[in-house]
Amino acid sequence: GAGVSQSPRYKVAKRGQDVALRCDPISGHVSLFWYQQALGQGPEFLTYFQNEAQLDKSGLPSDRFFAERPEGSVSTLKIQRTQQEDSAVYLCASSPTGYTEAFFGQGTRLTVV
Amino acid sequence: ELKVEQNPLFLSMQEGKNYTIYCNYSTTSDRLYWYRQDPGKSLESLFVLLSNGAVKQEGRLMASLDTKARLSTLHITAAVHDLSATYFCAGELGAQKLVFGQGTRLTINP
Repeated sequence: GAGVSQSPRYKVAKRGQDVALRCDPISGHVSLFWYQQALGQGPEFLTYFQNEAQLDKSGLPSDRFFAERPEGSVSTLKIQRTQQEDSAVYLCASSPTGYTEAFFGQGTRLTVV
Repeated sequence: ELKVEQNPLFLSMQEGKNYTIYCNYSTTSDRLYWYRQDPGKSLESLFVLLSNGAVKQEGRLMASLDTKARLSTLHITAAVHDLSATYFCAGELGAQKLVFGQGTRLTINP
């Protein structure tokens, strides 16, 4: 596709459920980033991959959050035992290098009920 | 730790007027970014400011950077309704992390 694709666009989860959010980056983009955007707030950094290597996961809020990019392309953000405070839009971005050429996807809106 | 603060957070203005959004950041940042976000949509890159004194313009928007004051501004000239959106500035920390401000929700009324 032409841009960064995220799926699903919307996800409703019951508290305690596990969820998996998918990001398809632009083909050939080495760098991949995940952000969490709470309602009415700016995005907050979660984690960064360069190819399949997760170089920075300092923003993951708890050990319930896990991200992977096993083949250096598609990435999955997994949240275990979801809590209400996990409700947010999760944005993925990809870039051939750093942020100057990064494109963001449309995000997955997660609502935990 | 890099902190980024925008003001105002909400701005309602009339078409044809000029206004400025301010972005202050707390420590040295490699680059300063401005993004636009429409409701339910993703972030659209507007400007990347690389060095002190940088000024970039696109249409009715102009962004500038003063690294000594740790201040960036986004100036809107003769606003039109189509510019209604939320605008974010972000500082870059290293090569892998952006720190965003809270966003400025701009509403332009006819």
